[in-house]
Amino acid sequence: QKEVEQDPGPLSVPEGAIVSLNCTYSNSAFQYFMWYRQYSRKGPELLMYTYSSGNKEDGRFTAQVDKSSKYISLFIRDSQPSDSATYLCASTVYNNNDMRFGAGTRLTVKP
Amino acid sequence: DADVTQTPRNRITKTGKRIMLECSQTKGHDRMYWYRQDPGLGLRLIYYSFDVKDINKGEISDGYSVSRQAQAKFSLSLESAIPNQTALYFCATSDPPLAGVHNEQFFGPGTRLTVL
Repeated sequence: QKEVEQDPGPLSVPEGAIVSLNCTYSNSAFQYFMWYRQYSRKGPELLMYTYSSGNKEDGRFTAQVDKSSKYISLFIRDSQPSDSATYLCASTVYNNNDMRFGAGTRLTVKP
Repeated sequence: DADVTQTPRNRITKTGKRIMLECSQTKGHDRMYWYRQDPGLGLRLIYYSFDVKDINKGEISDGYSVSRQAQAKFSLSLESAIPNQTALYFCATSDPPLAGVHNEQFFGPGTRLTVL
């Protein structure tokens, strides 16, 4: 069983919708929780990260971590066609770059 | 010019052949990584290097070896390729982590490897 589980989708929404992407993890030692975005035929790029529990907001994007339930979420408000990509959640232990990734969720935002 | 480059971008080879994938970076990062990406499994870490003399196995190192020729160069070798090593391979680089800060890993464009 993977340490980070993510529903691969695909997920298709209309432009302007609120998108919710979710992951669960099993390793209680994870301290850093990342969301990487990968466009087709490109390498992943960091979207945002959270250290320990709580929320973090960056424009239309909000990342949440609930360590009690080992649940990681990414919310996208007012989704745009340019948000169409694969979203990868990842986690790592403090001071350790050995990241464990989820399978990635492929998102399509239709105009 | 791209900060992290990978060569070749595509490669088709036969079972049993030795293959080397190369990665170069101009970001000045000490840390470099090799991942493979498979549908439904996401990215999995093969090897990572904290500097030229520090090489570490990742989650799935069996069947692979690496060489860190210089700070800017990190190569991945498949000594005897097999079909289940068919995948998309990514190289990445980063600065060392700081307390409370995740230093982004910067990924190359990937190498699509097919083993027949």
